Amino acid sequence: RKEVEQDPGPFNVPEGATVAFNCTYSNSASQSFFWYRQDCRKEPKLLMSVYSSGNEDGRFTAQLNRASQYISLLIRDSKLSDSATYLCVVNNNDMRFGAGTRLTVKP
Amino acid sequence: GAVVSQHPSRVICKSGTSVKIECRSLDFQATTMFWYRQFPKQSLMLMATSNEGSKATYEQGVEKDKFLINHASLTLSTLTVTSAHPEDSSFYICSARQGTGNQPQHFGDGTRLSIL
Repeated sequence: RKEVEQDPGPFNVPEGATVAFNCTYSNSASQSFFWYRQDCRKEPKLLMSVYSSGNEDGRFTAQLNRASQYISLLIRDSKLSDSATYLCVVNNNDMRFGAGTRLTVKP
Repeated sequence: GAVVSQHPSRVICKSGTSVKIECRSLDFQATTMFWYRQFPKQSLMLMATSNEGSKATYEQGVEKDKFLINHASLTLSTLTVTSAHPEDSSFYICSARQGTGNQPQHFGDGTRLSIL
């Protein structure tokens, strides 16, 4: 079993749609969690940290369920510029990346 | 925000050449730096973790004599791909972390290496 598993997609959604990505991790001792965004042929950029209490940053909401070892990212009112690959990252002293979920937002 | 600079961004060279890639944290001291490689449409693969002043810890299957890592200061780590061959062609990305393991990593721009 992979340490971090994500649905690779692709997710093709129209502008304005709400889209949700899920991620599961295998190491119950994992300490911190993040979502990164990676554009084609570019480096990953930190999108947001994920806390047990859930956190929101504008149109983006991240949730963590430690009991189920599950992380989610919700994007509301999606924009064309949201098109990218979203990487789920689980940290236990070193970071383990999911394979990424590819999102394409279409006009 | 934290800035990590990676240089060069693009390298094309002949088989057998050794290539050095630099990774610098510009506005913070990086306790730990990481080196990844990424093949097209695949996830980042951790190659090694380095702490300033100590030997790098390599992931299983990564040849330490092939990929030499030096982390001489809190702001600079280098990766040298020795005697590179076409199969070493890839996107290499470094990242740096300040402080403890719970902190996020910040990535350099990546180096696209092509070996002819």
